Amino acid sequence: GQNIDQPTEMTATEGAIVQINCTYQTSGFNGLFWYQQHAGEAPTFLSYNVLDGLEEKGRFSSFLSRSKGYSYLLLKELQMKDSASYLCAGMDSNYQLIWGAGTKLIIKP
Amino acid sequence: IAGITQAPTSQILAAGRRMTLRCTQDMRHNAMYWYRQDLGLGLRLIHYSNTAGTTGKGEVPDGYSVSRANTDDFPLTLASAVPSQTSVYFCASSPGLAGATGELFFGEGSRLTVL
Repeated sequence: GQNIDQPTEMTATEGAIVQINCTYQTSGFNGLFWYQQHAGEAPTFLSYNVLDGLEEKGRFSSFLSRSKGYSYLLLKELQMKDSASYLCAGMDSNYQLIWGAGTKLIIKP
Repeated sequence: IAGITQAPTSQILAAGRRMTLRCTQDMRHNAMYWYRQDLGLGLRLIHYSNTAGTTGKGEVPDGYSVSRANTDDFPLTLASAVPSQTSVYFCASSPGLAGATGELFFGEGSRLTVL
């Protein structure tokens, strides 16, 4: 079956670095996506990885290892506004997104 | 402002009633989707449309129907609502076929409570 696993909740301190892990099993693979969702709002796109390695975009970076079925989202210089849920999603061979339940990130001063 | 508009934003209805959630986009995207989001679960695809005039079933289509008469509109209908359909519903769109470009653009969501 298809499955996306990520931690339910994480806590970090303002100004620090946090890594949110995601493991995936999909029927075929056409990329791994990260979305940010603030409470009560719509998800917004953060990153897309289809090849192994690290993609950096400002304070946020995303890593992919296809052989391990593993990805992580790295957030640096954490700000209070980064408190949100982070959704990991894998795209299968039919180009459908399989979503994880999301990781709620709590930032403390 | 370009984007996706959903209506209503919130609705309470009695079980057995018919309900249509509206979704309109002005980005001329080909593909549109309806998801439901429940606590502790990932987004689950209900129905999708790769282009105007075509629709397909997602992971949880039972009890729901959609139509895609034109590029901009993608309404979701619950023919006879049941309490298990209590959820937050998100409409989304993407420029390419079935989300192949990766980035989905989401509406603000419709919170539906079925009593």
